[in-house]
Amino acid sequence: GNSVTQMEGPVTLSEEAFLTINCTYTATGYPSLFWYVQYPGEGLQLLLKATKADDKGSNKGFEATYRKETTSFHLEKGSVQVSDSAVYFCALSGNTGFQKLVFGTGTRLLVSP
Amino acid sequence: DVKVTQSSRYLVKRTGEKVFLECVQDMDHENMFWYRQDPGLGLRLIYFSYDVKMKEKGDIPEGYSVSREKKERFSLILESASTNQTSMYLCASSRDYGYTFGSGTRLTVV
Repeated sequence: GNSVTQMEGPVTLSEEAFLTINCTYTATGYPSLFWYVQYPGEGLQLLLKATKADDKGSNKGFEATYRKETTSFHLEKGSVQVSDSAVYFCALSGNTGFQKLVFGTGTRLLVSP
Repeated sequence: DVKVTQSSRYLVKRTGEKVFLECVQDMDHENMFWYRQDPGLGLRLIYFSYDVKMKEKGDIPEGYSVSREKKERFSLILESASTNQTSMYLCASSRDYGYTFGSGTRLTVV
C-alpha cells in the first residue's frame, strides 16, 4: 500500500538558517504529494502540493519538488523564521477515483532567535 | 473564508461514557474524515464518508462509529470511552485534492 516516510525530529535551527525536511514515499502509479503544517494548538493547513513528476510546489518561501526517480518530496526553505516553528507533515494521495490522504509521522521544527 | 468547525477544543470524559465529537463544514464538500493524532504516530484515519449516509472504515475504526445524516455534518462517536482513546481528534473535508482541517478536539478520558 501507499506510505510516506519523514525524517524524525525535532529539527532545531537558528533564525535565517537553511531548512530541509526529507520525505520519501512508496506508491503505485502517480500520486499527488503534499506538505501540511500544524502550528501549536491548531489543525493542519495545506502548505504546498505537486500533482505530477518534476512539479515544484511553493508557498510562503517553502518549496518542494516532486522527484519520481528518487520517490522524494523534500521540503526546503532558504531562511527560516521563528514563526516557522511548527510540525510539518508530508502526505500523498492517489490520482484515480476517491483517494484518501496518507500522512507521514510529522517533523517538528524549532527555530530559535 | 472556508471552514471546518469542531464543536469543542477540549473535552474531559469518564471511562465508559458515550462521547460525541461534532464536525461541520461550510464548503459543500462531499468527503469528510476523522483522524486521531498521537505523538510519534502521526495522523491515523478512523472513518471517512464520501456522501451523506455513507461511511467507510479507516485504519483504526475499533471503538468508534460515525454518523453523517447531512452533507455538512460528520459526527464521531466513542461508544464506551476508554483511556486509550485519549488523543487529539482532527476532522477534515475535501472535494478533490487538498483537505481542509478543523482545529482539533483534545479529548482526555479519565
